[in-house]
Formats: sequence, C-alpha cells, structure tokens
Amino acid sequence: AQTVTQSQPEMSVQEAETVTLSCTYDTSENNYYLFWYKQPPSRQMILVIRQEAYKQQNATENRFSVNFQKAAKSFSLKISDSQLGDTAMYFCAFMIPGGSNYKLTFGKGTLLTVNP
Amino acid sequence: DAGVIQSPRHEVTEMGQEVTLRCKPISGHNSLFWYRQTMMRGLELLIYFNNNVPIDDSGMPEDRFSAKMPNASFSTLKIQPSEPRDSAVYFCASSLVSGGGGELFFGEGSRLTVL
Repeated sequence: AQTVTQSQPEMSVQEAETVTLSCTYDTSENNYYLFWYKQPPSRQMILVIRQEAYKQQNATENRFSVNFQKAAKSFSLKISDSQLGDTAMYFCAFMIPGGSNYKLTFGKGTLLTVNP
Repeated sequence: DAGVIQSPRHEVTEMGQEVTLRCKPISGHNSLFWYRQTMMRGLELLIYFNNNVPIDDSGMPEDRFSAKMPNASFSTLKIQPSEPRDSAVYFCASSLVSGGGGELFFGEGSRLTVL
C-alpha cells in the first residue's frame, strides 16, 4: 500500500517570504503522479501543482514550485512571495494511474498560516 | 462552468437516522470519488466509480454505508443507521480518466453531524 507522510502539522510564514512544505511517500511503483492540494477555510480542495514521476524537471506554477527527489521519495512544495490568501491546509497526494489503483492517497496535511 | 455540486452543505441528524448525501459530477467526467475527512484520520477514500461502475469500495467503513451511481450525472452516499462517529466532512470529486493522472475536481463537501 502507498503511504504519504507530511511531517509538519503546522507552519507559519511572513507575508512576501518563502516557505517550503515537506512530503515523503512510500511506493514500489515506478510510474505515478504526485499532487499538492490546497484547502482554504472555505473547505474546497483546489489543485495547486502536479508532477509526473517520469519527468525529471520539477513542476512550477507561478509562485508555487516543487522539489521532486524520486530516489529519496520526497516531494516538497515551495511557495515564494507568500500572500495572505495562501493561508490554508496543504495536502500532498499520490496516485498510481490505471485500473483499481486510480485513486488519490493523501497525507495528513500541513496548516500554513501567512502572517501580515 | 459548474463544478462538482454536493448537497446538503450541512446536515445535522440524530443517531439512528438515515442520511443521504448527493453529488453531481462535472459533465463529461467518467470517474467519481467519495472521500471522508476527519481530524483524526484525514482524507480517506470511501469508494471510486468509473463509468458509473464501482471499482474500489474497500474504503467503505462498514455495511451501514452504501453508494450508488445510477447515471453519469448523479451519485449518492447513504448511511443507515447513522452513528456519532460518522460525523465528518464528506467530499465528492470527479475526474476525466484518460490513461493518465487526471486532476480530481472536488465539491465543497457536506458536513455531517450525528448527535
């Protein structure tokens, strides 16, 4: 079974600074996808960024980027120029495409607070 | 474009009552997921449908839980009888699976409180 571990239950950062959220996972599969989802107080889960395991290049979406270390099974999220609207729970998630394994397995989440 | 629509947003009921949660996926999506979120256990996948067929229901906690998808535009999650430990936020998500890792689009969730 696949597991996803987020070791930081809570983090805080000052507005405009950079913060990195950690995520590690465990799998014996070679082909998979990794995601970061954001859950603001409104409760809705929103996709932040996605990484395919076969791609060596780290994914980037505006202020959000990842550091994907496949051998170490690590997938951290870096948020640059933090904004107040980034305050949310952040979930790391793992997926194996195809068949009955096509499902997201989530970590327990990291609560990020951006302070003014 | 309408996203995933869930109802009700909030439900308060008494132990032993039947609860039905509803979900309308995004039009054209062929996969639907029900997740449960609690403080203790985080986000857990309950059941996953592909083309209206249940593929993986290994996360359904027990026989009190059942889920149906009678057509591509509607799914229900039913709890009968409900218990206080069922209190949680229940999310429905849909996706277009095309052989790769399609993005899951989530609804706003249904917060269930069982007294």
